[in-house]
Amino acid sequence: EPEVTQTPSHQVTQMGQEVILRCVPISNHLYFYWYRQILGQKVEFLVSFYNNEISEKSEIFDDQFSVERPDGSNFTLKIRSTKLEDSAMYFCASSEFRGLGEKLFFGSGTQLSVL
Amino acid sequence: GESVGLHLPTLSVQEGDNSIINCAYSNSASDYFIWYKQESGKGPQFIIDIRSNMDKRQGQRVTVLLNKTVKHLSLQIAATQPGDSAVYFCAEPALYNTDKLIFGTGTRLQVFP
Repeated sequence: EPEVTQTPSHQVTQMGQEVILRCVPISNHLYFYWYRQILGQKVEFLVSFYNNEISEKSEIFDDQFSVERPDGSNFTLKIRSTKLEDSAMYFCASSEFRGLGEKLFFGSGTQLSVL
Repeated sequence: GESVGLHLPTLSVQEGDNSIINCAYSNSASDYFIWYKQESGKGPQFIIDIRSNMDKRQGQRVTVLLNKTVKHLSLQIAATQPGDSAVYFCAEPALYNTDKLIFGTGTRLQVFP
């Protein structure tokens, strides 16, 4: 079964450093998403991306965050200057159509720790 | 405002018993709900969904019940197995025509022999 893959599985960084989280969505999918989950809290929507531009973003997704699809297979989330509160599990997701529920496939996540 | 929440943070059941995980929502206009399962070290995985024009939907060993009167939905797992141990989330779209899912806080299901 096709799956969304994320790298790295764990990322440790110093506060103020830039990090790039990488995702390879399912190959025929056109819609891409980032969610995050702070330890012990809810999974939260960050951003959706389609046709090389952001479709929707949450209030969490401020100017420190950016997304990019640099080539035909990767989808990245960049945090420009990390803060302690950015420590969380970051999930990438993709879907073939603009959809939710069963049409949304999540990766296993990148655990980001900001020290 | 919109919110999706769960009644219990942890549910412990014996293998073979049925499990019931509950979820409450506040927006009476909500018309679509999804249950996700998250195993340790993995991302959320779709289990089953239901639209507001239905009261019940069944899958393989799982049933979702929707009570629009009290804005409550539940996930029932029949004959719970050790592999069912995970955190279960209910979720709903934030608004109409949106990409954003709102997740509940999750219930951890623990299955013991």
